[in-house]
Amino acid sequence: SQQGEEDPQALSIQEGENATMNCSYKTSINNLQWYRQNSGRGLVHLILIRSNEREKHSGRLRVTLDTSKKSSSLLITASRAADTASYFCATDVSDSGGSNYKLTFGKGTLLTVNP
Amino acid sequence: DAGITQSPRHKVTETGTPVTLRCHQTENHRYMYWYRQDPGHGLRLIHYSYGVKDTDKGEVSDGYSVSRSKTEDFLLTLESATSSQTSVYFCAISSSGGRSYEQYFGPGTRLTVT
Repeated sequence: SQQGEEDPQALSIQEGENATMNCSYKTSINNLQWYRQNSGRGLVHLILIRSNEREKHSGRLRVTLDTSKKSSSLLITASRAADTASYFCATDVSDSGGSNYKLTFGKGTLLTVNP
Repeated sequence: DAGITQSPRHKVTETGTPVTLRCHQTENHRYMYWYRQDPGHGLRLIHYSYGVKDTDKGEVSDGYSVSRSKTEDFLLTLESATSSQTSVYFCAISSSGGRSYEQYFGPGTRLTVT
């Protein structure tokens, strides 16, 4: 079953505006990751935030994590048409032995940035 | 795509036939994963491997088997394809299966079962 759920399912903005996507999850995590997927392509890793971190930046990306609310947000500032893609959050889950970790992905937010 | 190739990229097959998808990596990463992506379901893990000949089931493993006889190749087999297995299949790799390691994805295989 899905661990993470993104919100909104779809978001349409104008170039230059900021885009915010949210992710909620159900159980405790070690880290949370965000991925981007362009149409017809594989997923690309964007950023990882550990459970003991509250905020992380990478270029125009800002990720926050609130473990008390079991939620994360991804902010893309000054968006560009090239940012048009689906964005997924992923949380890690250990296997029964506790030594291998798997990622569970949400269903994604489709971001459209209009020029 | 981080040295990951998938073959074939597109396949149309008939119900009941066996199908094998191949994932090949040149990164020498220990961990390899097979996912399927469907509208409304996002990405779901089918099987994964944590070393040569070491594999484990994921969330949606029924009807699928995998094999890994060498580090660089991870094969996904649909023993008797069904229409419900029509999907886009992604392979991913990771240098570690431990905490805090990102995965790198291949370009995907679009499979249609008629």
